[in-house]
Amino acid sequence: AQRVTQPEKLLSVFKGAPVELKCNYSYSGSPELFWYVQYSRQRLQLLLRHISRESIKGFTADLNKGETSFHLKKPFAQEEDSAMYYCALLEGSNYKLTFGKGTLLTVNP
Amino acid sequence: DAMVIQNPRYQVTQFGKPVTLSCSQTLNHNVMYWYQQKSSQAPKLLFHYYDKDFNNEADTPDNFQSRRPNTSFCFLDIRSPGLGDAAMYLCATSRDLGVGDEKLFFGSGTQLSVL
Repeated sequence: AQRVTQPEKLLSVFKGAPVELKCNYSYSGSPELFWYVQYSRQRLQLLLRHISRESIKGFTADLNKGETSFHLKKPFAQEEDSAMYYCALLEGSNYKLTFGKGTLLTVNP
Repeated sequence: DAMVIQNPRYQVTQFGKPVTLSCSQTLNHNVMYWYQQKSSQAPKLLFHYYDKDFNNEADTPDNFQSRRPNTSFCFLDIRSPGLGDAAMYLCATSRDLGVGDEKLFFGSGTQLSVL
């Protein structure tokens, strides 16, 4: 069963526009969720994790247990935000990270 | 500075010819992972090592093996590559397993082609 769903394969916005990358999860326990990002020709790297309640590069993500969502948001997109974004779920006791299929964000000038 | 290093960046092998992908890390992390990522798909965990303990995912084919001779190095061996094994193979590390150690550090990946 698919545990992490990113419904949008591609997302294109203009610079300065708000952006929201959607992530929904399916997990019976208490979830730990992450966003990873991969810029062009760079390695996959952690962007933020929900337990830290942090804002990285202007991005935030709130865990909504009622909607089983962990959407990534930024109020004003920048061209350098163009990248592949992966939502990931950490599965409990075996500490296995399951990734979504990713959303390719393009921020146009 | 590269902390998780994968060589080579591109690897071409022939159908059925064994191939080994390598990964090294300078972080002294306890855990090393191998992920397979096919085109337009999510990275899929194949197995991981916690120190010397090998943990195979239930759906990882027997064709895939791994070795970790020391803390720094981990190898992915594909005994008889098929066309369906063409993918990007990602190595990752984490300091440990547990709360607060979930951050993965990825290598740049090795793109495997099978002819």
